[in-house]
Amino acid sequence: DTEVTQTPKHLVMGMTNKKSLKCEQHMGHRAMYWYKQKAKKPPELMFVYSYEKLSINESVPSRFSPECPNSSLLNLHLHALQPEDSALYLCASSQGDRISYEQYFGPGTRLTVT
Amino acid sequence: GQNIDQPTEMTATEGAIVQINCTYQTSGFNGLFWYQQHAGEAPTFLSYNVLDGLEEKGRFSSFLSRSKGYSYLLLKELQMKDSASYLCAGRMEYGNKLVFGAGTILRVKS
Repeated sequence: DTEVTQTPKHLVMGMTNKKSLKCEQHMGHRAMYWYKQKAKKPPELMFVYSYEKLSINESVPSRFSPECPNSSLLNLHLHALQPEDSALYLCASSQGDRISYEQYFGPGTRLTVT
Repeated sequence: GQNIDQPTEMTATEGAIVQINCTYQTSGFNGLFWYQQHAGEAPTFLSYNVLDGLEEKGRFSSFLSRSKGYSYLLLKELQMKDSASYLCAGRMEYGNKLVFGAGTILRVKS
């Protein structure tokens, strides 16, 4: 199983809503990532969890709150988002944080903030 | 910041060979990845180079020169399904972080 799954596939939310994005992998990977990708742009790293601890936060606004309940799950809690936060949110995982480990990406959640 | 540069678009003919170049600043990076991304889909891993030289994997090969801050992805026997965006990504020397280039949109025509 080399799959990273993400739910939901699409999400439309208002600026006052609270929602969560979910990511799951069962490859035994110990590093998990959240990326944001705008149309026709490359993915931009948001957060990295390594062994269930937050290791990198790329100065992401606090309206995005990551959570790693266990080694297979990664959540991204959303609150009071802005329309400019509309994007494709990609989750990825890798075997660990060693230099040679490739990242496996999930299909993404397409988020629209109205 | 870290700059990774690659051409915006390329067009090639089915059955041909195409080379997609990527240049990056030599300090700060340790390792170079190539990913393929079809429109509306997630990036998929193609190759990884940490040492100088050529890595071959079927129809795809990737080359790295660390001293020159230069990499390329070589695609042989192009197929229509190879039409996609190809992302060059550098792994930061410190921390578990990839920095992606803007991507090269490859169009394969018959």
